[in-house]
Parts: sequence; structure tokens; C-alpha cells
Amino acid sequence: KNQVEQSPQSLIILEGKNCTLQCNYTVSPFSNLRWYKQDTGRGPVSLTIMTFSENTKSNGRYTATLDADTKQSSLHITASQLSDSASYICVVRYDGANNLFFGTGTRLTVIP
Amino acid sequence: DTGVSQNPRHKITKRGQNVTFRCDPISEHNRLYWYRQTLGQGPEFLTYFQNEAQLEKSRLLSDRFSAERPKGSFSTLEIQRTEQGDSAMYLCASSLAGYQPQHFGDGTRLSIL
Repeated sequence: KNQVEQSPQSLIILEGKNCTLQCNYTVSPFSNLRWYKQDTGRGPVSLTIMTFSENTKSNGRYTATLDADTKQSSLHITASQLSDSASYICVVRYDGANNLFFGTGTRLTVIP
Repeated sequence: DTGVSQNPRHKITKRGQNVTFRCDPISEHNRLYWYRQTLGQGPEFLTYFQNEAQLEKSRLLSDRFSAERPKGSFSTLEIQRTEQGDSAMYLCASSLAGYQPQHFGDGTRLSIL
């Protein structure tokens, strides 16, 4: 069964600290993996997208890594800000189809 | 703002009523997707269009649900005879091609009384 699992389910960190969110997937064959940020009551916004051949991709303070062999990805947030408080969703695209498999997300809260 | 627009943002209705939501995608995007998201869960795929053609439907899309994109621009999602379990956020997304990032609207939150 194609699945995407994220950990932790929720995370609270102090402003200025770094954190890493994890994503494990079983989707196969794999096309690409995306990380989205979703603020409460808003739609998801794309942070990064990585294909099979890419190991790392950065977008400002966000750095995503991908290990296609172990089917694991991580999203590292550096020097967190209060505005980083949101749900971060890992999304895997199945190769050969047009739908996406979404994880349930990690709810990040950054406190001052 | 040239992002994906959805309306209404909120809809409250009684069980058994019909509801219709509208999505206006980014103008040059030919792909349009509908998702449903319940609290604490990631979005679940419902259906997608390429231009005006509905190319894929999830098994989640029961016969009470119908989606259209008549001119390949905006799309509507109708739910007939709403049930309590239909309460969710309904998200619309669009993309230029299947492998491009999907741009999401802010959704329509449906509450069934």
C-alpha cells in the first residue's frame, strides 16, 4: 500500500532554534517528493520539490534532503521564526499517475 | 492576486442540502485538482481535470459528488444530499503540468449541521 508517514506529529521549539522533520514513504514507483507548508485555515504552499536524482534542495532557511534508497526525506528549518509555526506536509507523487500521496503533516509551533 | 481563488471560504448548511463550490485556477494552468482535508489529516485527492476533461476520479468521490470544468477555466464541485461526514475543507489546486508544483487555494470549509 502506498503510504507517506511523518514524524513527529507535533513539535514545539524556541524561536531561533533549528529543527528537523522526517518523512518516510512507501510509494513506488516514485516520481518526486514535495514539502508543503500549511498555515492554519490556508491552503498548502510549496517549499521544495525533489526528483529521484536530487539529494538536497534549499529554499531560504528550509533545506530538504532525500534518500531514495531508504525512501526517507527530511526538512530542516534553520533559525526558526514565529512565522514558521504551521503544518509541514510531505507529499509524494506516484510515477505514472497524477494524484499525490499526502502525509498527515507535522504541526510545528515556534514560541518566543 | 493571481493565485488560486476559491469561494465561498465558509459554507454552513443543513444535512440533506446541496452545496456548490467554485475554484478559479491560475489562468495559464491547464490542470486543476480537487482535494478534501479533514482536521489533522493531509489532503485527500478527489479528482483532477486537464483543461475541460475530467481525467481521474478517486473512489472517495461518491455519486453524490460531481465536478465540472466546462470551459477549461474555473471549476465547480457540487455535493448533493450532504451528510455529516462531508464536513471538511475542500481544497482546489492548479498546475501547469503534472510534474509541476501544485498551487493551492485557501479552500472552502464546509460544516454540516
